[in-house]
Amino acid sequence: KNEVEQSPQNLTAQEGEFITINCSYSVGISALHWLQQHPGGGIVSLFMLSSGKKKHGRLIATINIQEKHSSLHITASHPRDSAVYICAPRNTDKLIFGTGTRLQVFP
Amino acid sequence: DAGVTQSPTHLIKTRGQQVTLRCSPKSGHDTVSWYQQALGQGPQFIFQYYEEEERQRGNFPDRFSGHQFPNYSSELNVNALLLGDSALYLCASSPFTGRGVAFFGQGTRLTVV
Repeated sequence: KNEVEQSPQNLTAQEGEFITINCSYSVGISALHWLQQHPGGGIVSLFMLSSGKKKHGRLIATINIQEKHSSLHITASHPRDSAVYICAPRNTDKLIFGTGTRLQVFP
Repeated sequence: DAGVTQSPTHLIKTRGQQVTLRCSPKSGHDTVSWYQQALGQGPQFIFQYYEEEERQRGNFPDRFSGHQFPNYSSELNVNALLLGDSALYLCASSPFTGRGVAFFGQGTRLTVV
């Protein structure tokens, strides 16, 4: 079993829809990153959180340390949000990556 | 601030050759981590450098080695290349011995033929 599980693996949405991506992990962590990877490889860190909830623009990330679960929400999705979203818990100062959720938002 | 820069962006090597990839961390970051991302997979941790020493290492053979310089830049070396080493190699830098937010470079796409 992978240490980090994301769901769904693939997601398609119409522009404007509310998106939720889930992440469950089995290791002890000190924090968790949500990352965005566009075709070509570049990775952007969206959030680092260790408790509660963070919001940045249309993006919201939540984490429940006791349940070992985190979610990334995108409100009013837009085609430019199309990318792979990766959950990466931090364990002993290194990141452990999920396989990602491929999101495609159509106009 | 240029962020994290990696060079080269693309590289083609022959089986058995050696390769060196380079990473310059974001200004103010002292910790550099390297990750290997095979096609369709999530990145896998290779190793992390802080204060010019390897702090921790993932499950990669000794063919993978690295170095960190006094200016915090880092190199990843891979010897005796195998076809399976073909991947995107990502460098991430962070402050405070790896506990701050990680910033990633664009990666180096290595193809071994």
